[in-house]
Amino acid sequence: NAGVTQTPKFQVLKTGQSMTLQCAQDMNHEYMSWYRQDPGMGLRLIHYSVGAGITDQGEVPNGYNVSRSTTEDFPLRLLSAAPSQTSVYFCASSYWGGSNYGYTFGSGTRLTVV
Amino acid sequence: GDSVTQMEGPVTLSEEAFLTINCTYTATGYPSLFWYVQYPGEGLQLLLKATKADDKGSNKGFEATYRKETTSFHLEKGSVQVSDSAVYFCALRGNAGNNRKLIWGLGTSLAVNP
Repeated sequence: NAGVTQTPKFQVLKTGQSMTLQCAQDMNHEYMSWYRQDPGMGLRLIHYSVGAGITDQGEVPNGYNVSRSTTEDFPLRLLSAAPSQTSVYFCASSYWGGSNYGYTFGSGTRLTVV
Repeated sequence: GDSVTQMEGPVTLSEEAFLTINCTYTATGYPSLFWYVQYPGEGLQLLLKATKADDKGSNKGFEATYRKETTSFHLEKGSVQVSDSAVYFCALRGNAGNNRKLIWGLGTSLAVNP
């Protein structure tokens, strides 16, 4: 099925550990992005990309790295996990060429840092 | 910059009640407007959209009309069901440069009681 696939669905990390959240889409979307969702905070943009080899920071980029080597994949790396990074993470993708396209979201990764 | 303001929740209704969730926006140019729904434990799904003034988006009994004169895109449903319990997000997307990223409201939680 076409869509955005995120793995893993759940993860528990110890403070200081690193990990990569995976995101893949098969819709040939130029735009991909990572959000975190915390209670009462809505969706906050971490990083985004408008094409392979192009990435940029969102509102809350500190502690996270991204790369975009292919159109399909946009992994999010946590460099040294902190309890403040406990959150639900969503990957979303879209066509970039016009305003009338919505985003397609993955099902999320629930991350707990202890 | 562009922004979206939606009514705070939580909203609690009885089954078959009428629903309105208010959304207003500030934007330059002529953005597209969206409503997304997030059911418990899931990612966000596009519920409906409108791409120009006076357009009405509709889906699953929900409707919203793009009102440029009042810069609003209120979500309505005539008779809610328990299965409509979810968080609803209003968003806008511009059509130039970085304005093509979706700008999100904070979300409104809806609980429908039987």
